[in-house]
Amino acid sequence: DQQVKQNSPSLSVQEGRISILNCDYTNSMFDYFLWYKKYPAEGPTFLISISSIKDKNEDGRFTVFLNKSAKHLSLHIVPSQPGDSAVYFCAAPRTTSGSRLTFGEGTQLTVNP
Amino acid sequence: NAGVTQTPKFQVLKTGQSMTLQCAQDMNHEYMSWYRQDPGMGLRLIHYSVGAGITDQGEVPNGYNVSRSTTEDFPLRLLSAAPSQTSVYFCASSYSGQAWGSPLHFGNGTRLTVT
Repeated sequence: DQQVKQNSPSLSVQEGRISILNCDYTNSMFDYFLWYKKYPAEGPTFLISISSIKDKNEDGRFTVFLNKSAKHLSLHIVPSQPGDSAVYFCAAPRTTSGSRLTFGEGTQLTVNP
Repeated sequence: NAGVTQTPKFQVLKTGQSMTLQCAQDMNHEYMSWYRQDPGMGLRLIHYSVGAGITDQGEVPNGYNVSRSTTEDFPLRLLSAAPSQTSVYFCASSYSGQAWGSPLHFGNGTRLTVT
């Protein structure tokens, strides 16, 4: 039962352009969402999060948008840089206020110079 | 401050062998957990612990045991390795076990191959 889905396994963009990574979820009880970034041979690192009481959260070049009615969130990276090339996972806690995260499958972002 | 340390980085086992994947954190985090990452499946929770002496099962616990005798350490034991356990294993910890304001910190993983 994949409650968090990332339907695009890969995305390629040019340096300086916008990267948009998408994530859909099925459980309407999810109230908090996180994005993690993972480089090869390293563990995932926390990137940005959003609470369900907001529809947008911004941190520098990274913005996460949440559309609760569509059960959809997206991560925007502007401008994209080659160092952003990584696998991006969206995740949500399985229980309210818990750290038992359920993860999407991940999207490999490649930013070309 | 090393964060979350996992050993070994790589391991090859034969079917039926047992082994322990080590995980230690030096951040005084109460919450620790183990995930496995398989191609096309994201990360799946194996076991977790909300504090010393307390453990519980995640999504995919079969074939694995854990214990939490100290705050710092959370080893994962494979009882009788099977090829289906070939995966990359990540240990993660957080301060409070509350996702809000306390994101997980991950180790760099153990790549396990079972032949």
